[in-house]
Amino acid sequence: DAGITQSPRYKITETGRQVTLMCHQTWSHSYMFWYRQDLGHGLRLIYYSAAADITDKGEVPDGYVVSRSKTENFPLTLESATRSQTSVYFCASSGGGQFFGPGTRLTVL
Amino acid sequence: SQQGEEDPQALSIQEGENATMNCSYKTSINNLQWYRQNSGRGLVHLILIRSNEREKHSGRLRVTLDTSKKSSSLLITASRAADTASYFCATVLNNNDMRFGAGTRLTVKP
Repeated sequence: DAGITQSPRYKITETGRQVTLMCHQTWSHSYMFWYRQDLGHGLRLIYYSAAADITDKGEVPDGYVVSRSKTENFPLTLESATRSQTSVYFCASSGGGQFFGPGTRLTVL
Repeated sequence: SQQGEEDPQALSIQEGENATMNCSYKTSINNLQWYRQNSGRGLVHLILIRSNEREKHSGRLRVTLDTSKKSSSLLITASRAADTASYFCATVLNNNDMRFGAGTRLTVKP
């Protein structure tokens, strides 16, 4: 299916665990982004990538790691999850406007 | 920190009325975009206006941009109940960094 997909859609984990959120797009867009959305903050940029093997920090990168070995994939890893990382995470790719995935709701207990 | 800030935070109108939402920002931008988000869903791109444009239309949507005042407005004409959603403005800086505001929650009553 064409578009941008995220997996998993829902995840519950425990403090200290490593979690990886997956993002896949089929448009071959160069730019990809990860955001978190929290009440009262709107969306905040975590990391973005201009192309394969090129990543850069956004507004709130601490506690997150990204990689971009292939243009179509942009996984986001929480190396040691904390409760403050409970949020909804959106991946996006850019071609004209930004196109967003459906989101991953992550709960860290 | 947020770049765009929407005003008002919440807006409630009757079906058929027009809805106007405003966005202010702080630094020079490459373009400004408006998005809609229905409850529990992802964001949907509505319209993009470049820094050298002053007004754009798309169906019932009208967006203006005033770079001297660092502000933009989104007008939805003849609103419908289906327009009920949160609306976000996003500013794109020249390094492709995109920043979102906290959004305006629009409720259109049938």
